[in-house]
Amino acid sequence: GEDVEQSLFLSVREGDSSVINCTYTDSSSTYLYWYKQEPGAGLQLLTYIFSNMDMKQDQRLTVLLNKKDKHLSLRIADTQTGDSAIYFCAETGSSASKIIFGSGTRLSIRP
Amino acid sequence: DVKVTQSSRYLVKRTGEKVFLECVQDMDHENMFWYRQDPGLGLRLIYFSYDVKMKEKGDIPEGYSVSREKKERFSLILESASTNQTSMYLCATRTGSTGELFFGEGSRLTVL
Repeated sequence: GEDVEQSLFLSVREGDSSVINCTYTDSSSTYLYWYKQEPGAGLQLLTYIFSNMDMKQDQRLTVLLNKKDKHLSLRIADTQTGDSAIYFCAETGSSASKIIFGSGTRLSIRP
Repeated sequence: DVKVTQSSRYLVKRTGEKVFLECVQDMDHENMFWYRQDPGLGLRLIYFSYDVKMKEKGDIPEGYSVSREKKERFSLILESASTNQTSMYLCATRTGSTGELFFGEGSRLTVL
């Protein structure tokens, strides 16, 4: 079945780069997404990548897509305390109506 | 900006009570969704609707029903709340172009 997997926790030092990884199973996904959830709030789209792309960069964010290994990563450069949040990987899946979410990675920042 | 409003941020209900969670969007999106979020499990789809009066079951519809009488409003109903329905409930709408979901702030339900 369709599945998206990611590790539950990541701790990085302020100023370092954070890399959050995700694997997915459905090779027919059109889009893959990264959502951010700050404490007490709903999810907000951080960035997305179309399935025919390998990389997308947006300021401090870099998304890498390896379609062969079905692996997606999100790199946050110069991580700041405001980046503390839960990050969800998601894919469109085989049904146009559904988006499949991973379990979320909680990013914590050490001083 | 897209606005998705969930009427209740926090609710406490007793086992067996009927619970209504309301969601209103202002962007004229056809697709609306109800997810529940539990630690370590991510988001799980309960129901979605792609048009007025149309609904489809998601992955975990048991114990829930939905209503979509108007395009802008999508309600989640717990006919008889149980303690295992204690959770965060998230409503979302979806744009057709990139498939981006727009979420409400969430409704945290506690069933005692």
